[in-house]
Amino acid sequence: QSALTQPASVSGSPGQSITISCTGTSDDVGGYSDVSWYQQHPGKAPKLIIYDVDNRPSGVSNRFSGSKSGNTASLTISGLRNEDEADYFCNSFRTSDTLVFGGGTKVTVL
Amino acid sequence: QVQLAESGGGVVQPGRSLRLSCASSGFTFSQYALHWVRQAPGKGLDWVAAISSDGNFKYYADSVRGRFTISRDNSRKILSLQMNSLRPDDAAKYFCARDESDYASSRWASWGQGTLLTVSS
Repeated sequence: QSALTQPASVSGSPGQSITISCTGTSDDVGGYSDVSWYQQHPGKAPKLIIYDVDNRPSGVSNRFSGSKSGNTASLTISGLRNEDEADYFCNSFRTSDTLVFGGGTKVTVL
Repeated sequence: QVQLAESGGGVVQPGRSLRLSCASSGFTFSQYALHWVRQAPGKGLDWVAAISSDGNFKYYADSVRGRFTISRDNSRKILSLQMNSLRPDDAAKYFCARDESDYASSRWASWGQGTLLTVSS
């Protein structure tokens, strides 16, 4: 089971917007609306920040937004803040009743 | 609030077995699917297995199918992962996570803090 493809790193200055891509196939990202994004700070458990492509759980900042086009999902962080520096993982349901993560993207705030 | 607490990790030799547990509190255990996810040191997240709320549906990653068995005890509110024929590449921190659905989805709002498995001779 190959992982979804994410860029290894993305960086931006405070206040800027950045976008992280997550590319799969029609068997996962492209075929389902069941795509989520997780934020993970070092030594901590992951935190759900986007589900069902573009929905935010209660309590998650509206600076985080999600979208999808074809086989690629995207996470955009607007108004970048120091506390956004973390690893970000996409996750998708896949045919044959499995789930698959992206390889992860390290976000650096310059 | 929702709490998940993993236990059972440790050091095990290749080829041996180990059983992980995840105790829960703060929610109606029998209404949610549950997952095991692992993370090797310095690496990304790797989905391992999931089980539906009633325990009737079980899902596995190809890398563990046939070696790992996921189960749950809804009366005791415990999720388990029986791991057999362990390999060095199974070494990781293992997290349990609660799905927001009764069947497997990618939406997991609650996670434990993880338990560490080391596979070494």
